[in-house]
Amino acid sequence: DADVTQTPRNRITKTGKRIMLECSQTKGHDRMYWYRQDPGLGLRLIYYSFDVKDINKGEISDGYSVSRQAQAKFSLSLESAIPNQTALYFCATSPGQQNEKLFFGSGTQLSVL
Amino acid sequence: GDSVTQMEGPVTLSEEAFLTINCTYTATGYPSLFWYVQYPGEGLQLLLKATKADDKGSNKGFEATYRKETTSFHLEKGSVQVSDSAVYFCALRRANAGGTSYGKLTFGQGTILTVHP
Repeated sequence: DADVTQTPRNRITKTGKRIMLECSQTKGHDRMYWYRQDPGLGLRLIYYSFDVKDINKGEISDGYSVSRQAQAKFSLSLESAIPNQTALYFCATSPGQQNEKLFFGSGTQLSVL
Repeated sequence: GDSVTQMEGPVTLSEEAFLTINCTYTATGYPSLFWYVQYPGEGLQLLLKATKADDKGSNKGFEATYRKETTSFHLEKGSVQVSDSAVYFCALRRANAGGTSYGKLTFGQGTILTVHP
């Protein structure tokens, strides 16, 4: 089983719909992240959380919200999806300050029509 | 702010050719530098890293040297294989004044590598 699991793997939705992307991890890491990947732009950070009570905006948080339900779960919501939110979304985890390595899920491909 | 710039892709090579993917960065302080690789249909995986100037990261035949004077971290491999076909991302993590990492990565735009038999 994957250490960082994202659901769903693919999602097609319509403009204005609310959707949630979920991420769960079995690595026991405190830190979790949401990135989006767009062709030619690399990965950009949406939100990150260093523990259950700590939520921080990344560089492109507008139009998104997150919830850290538990150490192992970190969900990303689009309250009212728009077409330019069509992208590949990645969840990642890391152990903390002494170990800088990120562990990524397999991604969720979201298409907003 | 911090930024990472990678060479434009895609890069197409024949098997056993030499690979260089250029990466330069802009950041304050002394960032840690990384190369991540993304194979088709998968998430990113750490390929190698370097945490201070003149460090060389290496893994699976890939190497990159942290050059502070040129703010670069170019990825090289002497002989590529078809299985190296993937997207490669250069990234940095800025340390604060006390040397403790903030824990967020800034990525370059990615370089697509295709290796033909």
